[in-house]
Amino acid sequence: LAKTTQPISMDSYEGQEVNITCSHNNIATNDYITWYQQFPSQGPRFIIQGYKTKVTNEVASLFIPADRKSSTLSLPRVSLSDTAVYYCLVGSPGAGSYQLTFGKGTKLSVIP
Amino acid sequence: EPEVTQTPSHQVTQMGQEVILRCVPISNHLYFYWYRQILGQKVEFLVSFYNNEISEKSEIFDDQFSVERPDGSNFTLKIRSTKLEDSAMYFCASSEGRGPGYTIYFGEGSWLTVV
Repeated sequence: LAKTTQPISMDSYEGQEVNITCSHNNIATNDYITWYQQFPSQGPRFIIQGYKTKVTNEVASLFIPADRKSSTLSLPRVSLSDTAVYYCLVGSPGAGSYQLTFGKGTKLSVIP
Repeated sequence: EPEVTQTPSHQVTQMGQEVILRCVPISNHLYFYWYRQILGQKVEFLVSFYNNEISEKSEIFDDQFSVERPDGSNFTLKIRSTKLEDSAMYFCASSEGRGPGYTIYFGEGSWLTVV
């Protein structure tokens, strides 16, 4: 499984766009990049998944450069309720492993 | 949005007792999982379950643990002879399929405290 590196913590003011970058230098050809969000004492919640270029949904955007060695989760106009831990996961569950491997994630604090 | 439900939300048990954590996965999902998170630590994979058998398990999932799908809707995690270090939040999860494009959905968790 590819190892991921992301900032331990970030602070942002309400209304700002937040970009969280994840490095995954040894990403494999079949690997996808998935982001989860976790609030305290709650289960991880799927945000977005992508393979290359850009993916956008109603919650976030995911930017993946051509070399795929990093990815950036973009949260538009954050609010206080976006304060959470954000996890970047890289893998290809269909290639033989069922498990998701979580790192320590990025603790995002949104300030009023 | 459909969700994975877990019971109990919180359980306190004495060391050495058996605990059963229950989960109702999303109805059309075929793959089921248990994860745990010790306070302040990472979310850790325990086991995956498909077609009424364990597909994959981690080193944490030793003989103390077992999983079962007793009927068409429930998925349970049994912890025999609980230890203090079993205190954690246990998350059940499920997915419709396996691989890219299939999202793994997590429940809200069952907080287990062993005293």
